[in-house]
Amino acid sequence: GNSVTQMEGPVTLSEEAFLTINCTYTATGYPSLFWYVQYPGEGLQLLLKATKADDKGSNKGFEATYRKETTSFHLEKGSVQVSDSAVYFCALTPYSSASKIIFGSGTRLSIRP
Amino acid sequence: SQTIHQWPATLVQPVGSPLSLECTVEGTSNPNLYWYRQAAGRGLQLLFYSVGIGQISSEVPQNLSASRPQDRQFILSSKKLLLSDSGFYLCAWSLGQETQYFGPGTRLLVL
Repeated sequence: GNSVTQMEGPVTLSEEAFLTINCTYTATGYPSLFWYVQYPGEGLQLLLKATKADDKGSNKGFEATYRKETTSFHLEKGSVQVSDSAVYFCALTPYSSASKIIFGSGTRLSIRP
Repeated sequence: SQTIHQWPATLVQPVGSPLSLECTVEGTSNPNLYWYRQAAGRGLQLLFYSVGIGQISSEVPQNLSASRPQDRQFILSSKKLLLSDSGFYLCAWSLGQETQYFGPGTRLLVL
C-alpha cells in the first residue's frame, strides 16, 4: 500500500543552523510528493511539492528533491529562523487516486534564538 | 482568490451531545472537499471527501457523518459525541486532482 514515513521529532535547532527532515515513501507508480507546514494553532499550508522524479520543490528557503531511486523527499533549509518553528508533514498523493493525500505523522521543529 | 473558512474555531462539548462543524469555500466552483482529523500529537486522517453536491465518501468507520448541501459547503456532524472524537478538524478543498488547500481548523474538546 501507500505510506509515508518521516523522522520523529521533536527536532530542536539553533537559529541559522542547517535543517534536514527525512521523509521516505512507499507507493506504486509515480506519486506526487508534498511538504505541508502547520504553524501553532493554525491549519496546514502547502510548503512545496514535486510531481515527478528529480523535480525539486522550493519555497521560503526550503527545498526537497523527489528521489525515486531512494523513494525519498527530504526537506532541507540552509539557515533556519525562529519563525520556522512549526510541525512539518510529508505527504503523497497516489497516481491512481490523486484526490487523496496520505500524510506522514509530522515532525515538530523548534528553533532557539 | 480562493479562501476557505471553518467555524467555530474552538468548541467544547459534553459527551453525548450533537456536533455540527461547517466549512465553506469562496472563489471557486465545484471543488473537491475533504474533512480530516488530527488527534493530539499525531498525523492527519482523512475522514470524508466529496466530489460534488450530495456525494460523500467515507474513509473510516466512525461516529461522524458528512453532508454537502451546497457546492461550496461541507458539514461534519455527529448525533452523539464520544470522548475519542476530540481533536483538530481540518477542512480542505482542491480542484480535481490538484493540490489540496486547508482551512484554519476547528479544535474540538469532548468532556
